Amino acid sequence: LAKTTQPISMDSYEGQEVNITCSHNNIATNDYITWYQQFPSQGPRFIIQGYKTKVTNEVASLFIPADRKSSTLSLPRVSLSDTAVYYCLVGVFLSSGSARQLTFGSGTQLTVLP
Amino acid sequence: GAVVSQHPSRVICKSGTSVKIECRSLDFQATTMFWYRQFPKQSLMLMATSNEGSKATYEQGVEKDKFLINHASLTLSTLTVTSAHPEDSSFYICSVQQGRSGELFFGEGSRLTVL
Repeated sequence: LAKTTQPISMDSYEGQEVNITCSHNNIATNDYITWYQQFPSQGPRFIIQGYKTKVTNEVASLFIPADRKSSTLSLPRVSLSDTAVYYCLVGVFLSSGSARQLTFGSGTQLTVLP
Repeated sequence: GAVVSQHPSRVICKSGTSVKIECRSLDFQATTMFWYRQFPKQSLMLMATSNEGSKATYEQGVEKDKFLINHASLTLSTLTVTSAHPEDSSFYICSVQQGRSGELFFGEGSRLTVL
């Protein structure tokens, strides 16, 4: 399973763009990159998923370079409610109907300040 | 995406008792569910993979006789913490995996406090 490395914490101010980078040097060819958000005492919530280049949805963008050894989650114009832990996961490919186990890294605690 | 529900959301029990936590996939037939444990200020740790109709697969260091997992149907997996002790107090979260890219959908989590 690909190991992921993220910064432990980041601070930002309301209205700023936040970029969180995740390293995954051992990513496999079939692996996708998925980011989750977790608030205290809640289960993680899906933010965005990608395989290569750039993916954008209504809440975030995900940038993946050609070598796929890292990825960057971009949150535009953060608000106080974006304060949470963000996890990068790699290795979610389902093969032959069987599920792949997933291991969470340490995650990044994002604190948005007023 | 899949909707996953856990029950109870909070449970307090005395040391030595057993506690059962249910994980239901409400709109998706899940042949596999995952159980995680999370201590305060720490990341999620995978405990076991629950397989419908067969034995669960436990991660190294997780006692299978203490954390009993039953996956009797495609929509329900249960985790029973047997003879609970204060060190078992934690946040337990289940998830299902859906789609070719394997996106995970998580339950709300269950907070266990053992007195």
